[in-house]
Amino acid sequence: GQNIDQPTEMTATEGAIVQINCTYQTSGFNGLFWYQQHAGEAPTFLSYNVLDGLEEKGRFSSFLSRSKGYSYLLLKELQMKDSASYLCAVSPRWDSGGYQKVTFGIGTKLQVIP
Amino acid sequence: EAQVTQNPRYLITVTGKKLTVTCSQNMNHEYMSWYRQDPGLGLRQIYYSMNVEVTDKGDVPEGYKVSRKEKRNFPLILESPSPNQTSLYFCASSRAGEQETQYFGPGTRLLVL
Repeated sequence: GQNIDQPTEMTATEGAIVQINCTYQTSGFNGLFWYQQHAGEAPTFLSYNVLDGLEEKGRFSSFLSRSKGYSYLLLKELQMKDSASYLCAVSPRWDSGGYQKVTFGIGTKLQVIP
Repeated sequence: EAQVTQNPRYLITVTGKKLTVTCSQNMNHEYMSWYRQDPGLGLRQIYYSMNVEVTDKGDVPEGYKVSRKEKRNFPLILESPSPNQTSLYFCASSRAGEQETQYFGPGTRLLVL
């Protein structure tokens, strides 16, 4: 089965840096995703990590350690608009037709305060 | 504009009354999925489709049906809705070979009384 853990809520200050952790235990592993979801809206794709290490995209970076079953999303220079839920998702396997199954964590609700 | 559309956006219905939630994408994507999102449970996949006439069960398929007769459309059918199907539903699509980037529709909020 799949188990994905991330903190339920976090609070951080505008302009600061915040790290959102995600640990996973899955039967098989292809890659790890991060999505952002503002309240009442659809999730939007942020990053996809397959190999160990840090990938940077502007103010957002995502890190993966496959051996530890661990990832984090790093948000720098926080802005008020970054207040949202951040969903960690893992792809445990490909199915027989080449489709990549994805399992989502429950998400971390980040509140950015002035 | 590249997008995934869902209709209706909001729906209140009663137990047992069949309903269909439509999903359409204009990006010529091969893959389409349906998810439901519930507090404390996160996004869970209901069904997915890899192409026309190819569908498979996700993690929570009970009580739902889907069809993929055209590449752009992937309707979700609740033959006999029950209150435990009250949820927020998202349709998503992605291109084969670029599946890591899923595009989500705006969501359909369903209340079953």
